[in-house]
This record gives sequence, C-alpha cells and structure tokens, in this order.
Amino acid sequence: QKEVEQNSGPLSVPEGAIASLNCTYSDRGSQSFFWYRQYSGKSPELIMFIYSNGDKEDGRFTAQLNKASQYVSLLIRDSQPSDSATYLCAVNMEYGNKLVFGAGTILRVKS
Amino acid sequence: NAGVTQTPKFRILKIGQSMTLQCAQDMNHNYMYWYRQDPGMGLKLIYYSVGAGITDKGEVPNGYNVSRSTTEDFPLRLELAAPSQTSVYFCASSYGRRDTGELFFGEGSRLTVL
Repeated sequence: QKEVEQNSGPLSVPEGAIASLNCTYSDRGSQSFFWYRQYSGKSPELIMFIYSNGDKEDGRFTAQLNKASQYVSLLIRDSQPSDSATYLCAVNMEYGNKLVFGAGTILRVKS
Repeated sequence: NAGVTQTPKFRILKIGQSMTLQCAQDMNHNYMYWYRQDPGMGLKLIYYSVGAGITDKGEVPNGYNVSRSTTEDFPLRLELAAPSQTSVYFCASSYGRRDTGELFFGEGSRLTVL
C-alpha cells in the first residue's frame, strides 16, 4: 500500500463550482497534513496545512481531516481557471521530520 | 531574498558521467531536502539534512550522495549517471517544525541522461 494516495485525475470542474480533492494515508500515527499546489513546470507551493480533526478554512480553500479514517481532503470553492494545477497531498509521517508526498491530482477548471 | 537557489536549471548527461547539483538557501533554515519528481508522479525524497554535518537517506537514495558542510549549502552528487535518473530535481528547505511543515522549494533542475 502506498503511504499517501491520491486520485491522479484529471478532475474537471466548471468555473464557479466546488472542486473536491481527496487523499488517504497509511501511517495512523501521522500528525500533520499539507496541501501543495504545483503549476506546470513550476515548483510546489504550500496552500494549506491541518493537524486537528475537522475543517480548516482559508479564503476559498477548506482542508478537512479525519484521522480515524486516515483521510484528508481539500475543497476549493468558486473554482477559477487560475486554480488549474496539480494538487499534492503531503503527510508528515510519525517516524521522521520529513514529508511524504502523494502523486498529485490534476485539476482543470473550465471557463 | 533569494530563497532557495538551484543550479543548473537544465543539464544533459551521458550515461556514466557524474555531476553535482548545487543548492543554496539564505533563510538560515536548518532542514534541507532533495526530492526528485518523475513525470506524472509526486515528489520522492532522496536525501535530507537536519543541520550542518548531518545527512540521512530518504526513500530513493541509491545512485546519489550528499554533503552538508554549511547551513546554506546542500549539494547533490550523481555518480555514474543512468537513464533512470532522468527527472526534475527539487531542493527545499524548512524550519524543521512538524506542525508547520512548509517547505520552500527551489525552481528545480531538469536532468536528462542519454
């Protein structure tokens, strides 16, 4: 089983819709979880982090964490064409201070 | 602030050649990392360092070596390049706190081995 799993997509949503991106992880002891956005040909940039069960909101972005189900998600409200990118889920595994990344989900927002 | 600077941005190597990817950060971060990213894949950790003089292996260390003689620099050495090492390499640094976990990435170095 991969340590961090994401659906590779592409996930296509119309402009203005809600995009929902999902991630599961294998290490039950993981403490902190991150969403990075990566535009084509660019380096990843952090958009959200969460380490408590529940929801965390920042502007149009909401991260959701369910440790019992080992599941973390990212919701993007009012999706814009500029949100089109690859979204990488990353987990700080209990066994070391280093992030393990999923393969990423490609998001396409169509105007 | 320059942040994390990687050189070169592009390089083509022949099989069996060696080279060093340079990485420097000016944020006084203790933690530095090298990741590789293959097409359509996530980032795989090659090596990381928690401070000058301390390095450790990540998920895919074979065929690479690192050193960390200063806080600022973390070069990645490729010995006997192989086509399987064709990838985009990202250097990153961080404060090293588990709860924030923000990695600051360089722009990447695209390496092709022919």
